[in-house]
Amino acid sequence: SQELEQSPQSLIVQEGKNLTINCTSSKTLYGLYWYKQKYGEGLIFLMMLQKGGEEKSHEKITAKLDEKKQQSSLHITASQPSHAGIYLCGADMALRAGNQFYFGTGTSLTVIP
Amino acid sequence: NAGVTQTPKFRVLKTGQSMTLLCAQDMNHEYMYWYRQDPGMGLRLIHYSVGEGTTAKGEVPDGYNVSRLKKQNFLLGLESAAPSQTSVYFCASSRRGTNTGELFFGEGSRLTVL
Repeated sequence: SQELEQSPQSLIVQEGKNLTINCTSSKTLYGLYWYKQKYGEGLIFLMMLQKGGEEKSHEKITAKLDEKKQQSSLHITASQPSHAGIYLCGADMALRAGNQFYFGTGTSLTVIP
Repeated sequence: NAGVTQTPKFRVLKTGQSMTLLCAQDMNHEYMYWYRQDPGMGLRLIHYSVGEGTTAKGEVPDGYNVSRLKKQNFLLGLESAAPSQTSVYFCASSRRGTNTGELFFGEGSRLTVL
């Protein structure tokens, strides 16, 4: 969706390196979700952020939502080959009536052993 | 617990042919969604449903129709397939509105239109 911009589009890192993926919206986000997609498979939920300034961690992945609730970052510490895949941010934009959930364009992560 | 199941997983169509993708969920979720995923475009919402018997248009609804006759099923139809509809289609469901929880996804259906 053009409403959510992700950067970078792709990332190649050496195993053990840290990395950050960003998700930016021009509108206030009511809920920001991070998903991971392994190549050729469906999406797996990672975590959800709702409050400005909120930060959550799961294993070596940390996600933050800024105070204005318009940008989120996903940080992976000491990357491993198992982290490879496509990371997508998603949000309930509430642009029109009803619950419409939009996704960013995705970031493809490759981790070189 | 199967979660969200999509059928078929792969399909090749000729331009002008019709087909239906079936999504079934066994979690008693109210909300269901159909997305398409294309390189560089991310996931785009086609249609969604907030309950049995209801459907609504998403971001890219043209060329598709949907039906939600039963709570557990959400069908996506292509009446006259076009090459631009070549894509990977994902179905998802959620318990209520997305601001209360996560989406659960199927494994995807890869459609090629020649």
